[in-house]
Amino acid sequence: GAVVSQHPSWVICKSGTSVKIECRSLDFQATTMFWYRQFPKQSLMLMATSNEGSKATYEQGVEKDKFLINHASLTLSTLTVTSAHPEDSSFYICSARDLGTGRFSYEQYFGPGTRLTVT
Amino acid sequence: GQNIDQPTEMTATEGAIVQINCTYQTSGFNGLFWYQQHAGEAPTFLSYNVLDGLEEKGRFSSFLSRSKGYSYLLLKELQMKDSASYLCAVLDSNYQLIWGAGTKLIIKP
Repeated sequence: GAVVSQHPSWVICKSGTSVKIECRSLDFQATTMFWYRQFPKQSLMLMATSNEGSKATYEQGVEKDKFLINHASLTLSTLTVTSAHPEDSSFYICSARDLGTGRFSYEQYFGPGTRLTVT
Repeated sequence: GQNIDQPTEMTATEGAIVQINCTYQTSGFNGLFWYQQHAGEAPTFLSYNVLDGLEEKGRFSSFLSRSKGYSYLLLKELQMKDSASYLCAVLDSNYQLIWGAGTKLIIKP
């Protein structure tokens, strides 16, 4: 149980284009979803937290107009990287949490990640 | 500010034991997680400690001392597949996960 999927698993796009990444909780309802970014040899950096039906809360330094997050349902959140540039190339990971089903309070279940390369 | 410290890299021999330390200073504490992350993959859950003491789970054990702001992950009978990064993360007073930078563990034959 508690499976989170991400799509696509990798994507290559040209500079200036937009890319959408989907994160789905397959067997539970995710009241909260998180989006992380990870550069090579670095730890996870939280970008934003989203609760179903409300606007995402972005971490300091993350441009909300560039990284659009939509959490329209209890099983789906999307991250759209708008006008992507080479410096946006990174490993994007989502995680989901449901207070009712976690083995421990506030446990997060991670998706497999999406590797974005902007050329 | 909030801070979590772990060694950047450690090396150990197959079959041996290794201890990865994590010290933290956070605004509040609601538990500490250890995750394993292989290169190019998402983190996978290893352990969760919220009370002081040792939690043992097979070859892996995790220890917590809240008064010292300290935890360690102990890996026994190391296998080559244990080569990965190990991430320490603390749940703060706002129930946000604060992540350490991770410890890259290299296992040699």
